[in-house]
Amino acid sequence: QLQLQESGPGLVKPSETLSLTCTVSGDSISSSSYYWGWIRQTPGMGLEWIGSIYYSGSSYYNPSLKSRVTISVDTSKNQFSLKVSSVTAADTAIYFCATTRVGITLEHFDYWGQGTLVSVSS
Amino acid sequence: DIVMTQSPDSLAVSLGERATINCKSSQSVLYSSNSKNYLAWYQQKLGQPPKLLFYWASTRESGVPDRFSGSGSGTDFTLTISSLQAEDVAVYYCQQYYSTPLTFGPGTKVGIK
Repeated sequence: QLQLQESGPGLVKPSETLSLTCTVSGDSISSSSYYWGWIRQTPGMGLEWIGSIYYSGSSYYNPSLKSRVTISVDTSKNQFSLKVSSVTAADTAIYFCATTRVGITLEHFDYWGQGTLVSVSS
Repeated sequence: DIVMTQSPDSLAVSLGERATINCKSSQSVLYSSNSKNYLAWYQQKLGQPPKLLFYWASTRESGVPDRFSGSGSGTDFTLTISSLQAEDVAVYYCQQYYSTPLTFGPGTKVGIK
């Protein structure tokens, strides 16, 4: 059974970079079956897909965030990471890591982490 | 971007009664080459991550009770709970994966009357 766990600071200052890591257990991040992604949830915007990456480095990003977001994979640690630069209060959210199956396109999200709350405040 | 809308925003149903949630996409999510609807449904209980209920609009995820059903095609989809149980209190979301950016509906909150 695949399990995902987010980790990272719960508080980030405005204009700084938000960094989160998702640790994968139960399968290799080099599995050909999954894209590894990030979704965030806010009361105002609801669920917002941030982006997804394949173990090879192939990635998709939400254009609304693309200029500020980097998702990367560390196969040696079985982890993938999210960086969001130049954060503002609008980036305050619960951040989830999740998997999507590999298909013609990205597919549905079948495994999710528990989520981690990140607040942006000075 | 494909915009997902849901109705109603919330509903309260008596235990054992039917709950129906509608989801509409701003363009068709039916992929003609494989005749699949690129639409998923999720259930999110308080303090938990979303849980996948259905994919391809009507394929039930393993472990999901059969009182839940998903239907629809093209731009109009429905999630039905045939006999509401107390443990079904949650917010339900639809999501399209026909194209990026992947987008979710705003959610429908289901409670007990």
